[in-house]
Amino acid sequence: QKEVEQDPGPLSVPEGAIVSLNCTYSNSAFQYFMWYRQYSRKGPELLMYTYSSGNKEDGRFTAQVDKSSKYISLFIRDSQPSDSATYLCATGGSQGNLIFGKGTKLSVKP
Amino acid sequence: NAGVTQTPKFRVLKTGQSMTLLCAQDMNHEYMYWYRQDPGMGLRLIHYSVGEGTTAKGEVPDGYNVSRLKKQNFLLGLESAAPSQTSVYFCASSYSGTSGAFTDTQYFGPGTRLTVL
Repeated sequence: QKEVEQDPGPLSVPEGAIVSLNCTYSNSAFQYFMWYRQYSRKGPELLMYTYSSGNKEDGRFTAQVDKSSKYISLFIRDSQPSDSATYLCATGGSQGNLIFGKGTKLSVKP
Repeated sequence: NAGVTQTPKFRVLKTGQSMTLLCAQDMNHEYMYWYRQDPGMGLRLIHYSVGEGTTAKGEVPDGYNVSRLKKQNFLLGLESAAPSQTSVYFCASSYSGTSGAFTDTQYFGPGTRLTVL
């Protein structure tokens, strides 16, 4: 079993839709959870960072972690065409490197 | 600040040729990383460094070597390129974070697209 599983999509939604992106992970010791956004032909950039369980909100973006089910989610409200990108979840513990998901490609149609 | 820069942006090699990819960061970060990104495989760590003069293997180190002679630079070498090394290579850097964790924000370069024929 891969340590981080992420549906690669692609996911296509109309502008203004609520988007839900998800990952599952296998190691219960993981404490740090991140979402990176990668535009086409660019390097990934950090979008959201959470530690342990709970929700974190930043504008139209909400990151949610459920450690009991080892489930990571990213919600995008009022999605915009500029949100079209690949979204990578990442997680890790206090020791060892970050583990990245394969990424979900999102397309928001005007 | 330029952040993380990578040289070159594109390269085409023939099987058996060698090359070096250069990564430079101007953020005074301790940690630096080399990843490769392939369709359907996501980002995979090749090698990393936790400080000047140190290097360590990641998930997919075979066929690659690295050096960190200066804190701001991290070099990735391919001694004898193979078609399986066709990929997009990303360099990243991060501050060490609390207790030396690898989980501080990683800042990525723009990538190098390498094709091995």
